[in-house]
Amino acid sequence: GQNIDQPTEMTATEGAIVQINCTYQTSGFNGLFWYQQHAGEAPTFLSYNVLDGLEEKGRFSSFLSRSKGYSYLLLKELQMKDSASYLCAVRDSNYQLIWGAGTKLIIKP
Amino acid sequence: NAGVTQTPKFQVLKTGQSMTLQCAQDMNHEYMSWYRQDPGMGLRLIHYSVGAGITDQGEVPNGYNVSRSTTEDFPLRLLSAAPSQTSVYFCASSHTLDGANVLTFGAGSRLTVL
Repeated sequence: GQNIDQPTEMTATEGAIVQINCTYQTSGFNGLFWYQQHAGEAPTFLSYNVLDGLEEKGRFSSFLSRSKGYSYLLLKELQMKDSASYLCAVRDSNYQLIWGAGTKLIIKP
Repeated sequence: NAGVTQTPKFQVLKTGQSMTLQCAQDMNHEYMSWYRQDPGMGLRLIHYSVGAGITDQGEVPNGYNVSRSTTEDFPLRLLSAAPSQTSVYFCASSHTLDGANVLTFGAGSRLTVL
């Protein structure tokens, strides 16, 4: 079967750095996405990786290793507004998205 | 642009009742989809459409119907509601950004079936 694993919950301190990991086992790979979802709101797109390596976008970076079935989202200079769930999703060989259950990130002052 | 608009935002149904969740987008996106989100689980695809007149089943289609008569609208119908359909439903449309098919989600519809 297809599977996306992420930690259920993480806690970090305002101003610090946090890394949210995502491992996947899917039938084929056609890209990996990260979405942010604030409580009670819709997911919004953060990043996309299809080749190995690091993609940097401001305070957020996303890394992919296709050989290891692994990605991480790195958030720097954490702000209180970064408190949210972070969803990892992989597009499989049929170009369908397989979603992880999300990681709830709690930021403490 | 309003983006993706979903209605209603909240709905309570009794078992066996039917209803339609409305979804409209004004971005001229060809691809539209419906997901459900349940605690502790990833988003699950119910139905999707790659253009007007074309629909297909996703991972969890049973108990739901869709139609796509126009590019803008993609309603989701619950034929006979069951408590297992209690969930948050998201409609999403897709566009291509730097080679990625990025989803734009509606605000969600929270459905409770008693």
